[in-house]
Amino acid sequence: KNEVEQSPQNLTAQEGEFITINCSYSVGISALHWLQQHPGGGIVSLFMLSSGKKKHGRLIATINIQEKHSSLHITASHPRDSAVYICAVCGGSNYKLTFGKGTLLTVNP
Amino acid sequence: EAEVAQSPRYKITEKSQAVAFWCDPISGHATLYWYRQILGQGPELLVQFQDESVVDDSQLPKDRFSAERLKGVDSTLKIQPAELGDSAMYLCASSREVNTEAFFGQGTRLTVV
Repeated sequence: KNEVEQSPQNLTAQEGEFITINCSYSVGISALHWLQQHPGGGIVSLFMLSSGKKKHGRLIATINIQEKHSSLHITASHPRDSAVYICAVCGGSNYKLTFGKGTLLTVNP
Repeated sequence: EAEVAQSPRYKITEKSQAVAFWCDPISGHATLYWYRQILGQGPELLVQFQDESVVDDSQLPKDRFSAERLKGVDSTLKIQPAELGDSAMYLCASSREVNTEAFFGQGTRLTVV
């Protein structure tokens, strides 16, 4: 079982819809990252959080440390939000990042 | 805006040849990571540096892969000899210290033919 599980694997939405991507992990962590990767592109860091909730524009990330669960929400989704969203957890003695397999989001106009 | 620079963006090489990738982290970032991302999967750590020292290379195939960060700034990842299964995206990331936000480069997409 992967230490970091994301759901869904694939998500298709209509422009304007509210999007939720989930991440569950099984190890103790010091922080969790949400990352965005466009096709063929590098990775952009969206959030790093260790508790509570963070908001940036239309993106909101929450984490529940007790339940080992985090969610990424996108409000008023837009076709330019189409990308792979990756959850990564940071833990261990050298703060190693362990990545989920990603969620492919497609937002149709 | 400061960014992690990687080169080349794309590389096609024949199997058994040597190939090298370069990464220049954000200035002042002590921690540097090399990841390999196979299509459809999440990145996997190959090697982590703290300044010029390797702190984790447990997943680095040391028979063919090597990485160095001689002056604690930029870094080179080498594969010799390349194999077909090495085709992947190679990502470099840096952070000011461990457990701080990591910033990723655009990656080098390697195709071994």
